[in-house]
Amino acid sequence: GQNIDQPTEMTATEGAIVQINCTYQTSGFNGLFWYQQHAGEAPTFLSYNVLDGLEEKGRFSSFLSRSKGYSYLLLKELQMKDSASYLCAVRESSGNMLTFGGGTRLMVKP
Amino acid sequence: DSGVTQTPKHLITATGQRVTLRCSPRSGDLSVYWYQQSLDQGLQFLIQYYNGEERAKGNILERFSAQQFPDLHSELNLSSLELGDSALYFCASSTTSDTQYFGPGTRLTVL
Repeated sequence: GQNIDQPTEMTATEGAIVQINCTYQTSGFNGLFWYQQHAGEAPTFLSYNVLDGLEEKGRFSSFLSRSKGYSYLLLKELQMKDSASYLCAVRESSGNMLTFGGGTRLMVKP
Repeated sequence: DSGVTQTPKHLITATGQRVTLRCSPRSGDLSVYWYQQSLDQGLQFLIQYYNGEERAKGNILERFSAQQFPDLHSELNLSSLELGDSALYFCASSTTSDTQYFGPGTRLTVL
């Protein structure tokens, strides 16, 4: 089985940087995904890490340490539209099934 | 727009009833996944189909079933509905072992 933990809520200021952490315990690991989800809408893909290190994509970056079972999503130059839930998901070593964490609700304030 | 479509957008029904949710994957994607998202449970994987065959099963109740048709669209059937089945149901699609892209979801309300 898999266990994925991420903070329930975070608050940050417009223009700032925020880091959302995710820790996981899994019997088999084949990649970690971050999705953004606005309330009542579909999750949208943000980033994917399968090897250790940092993946940068515009204002968003994601980091993975497989030995520590740890990932973070870094959001720079925060905008009001970044207020959403951020979901960490782990893919098992067999198949393409994703197990999601409970999500972190980020509120960006002016 | 992910390219994954789901119908209907909203569904309101009564306890004990049966409903069918429909999903069309992105063009070229052979895998379809169904997820349930309720307020207290987060996003839970239900079942995966690949090219018409069941590939993986998650926490799917026996009252729920799914299938994928030759044209690759999929249907999720929910029967003997209970109040606790009220949730958002998402479909996602992918190529063989690639990123999953989610449809807009069906909001099911059981009264």
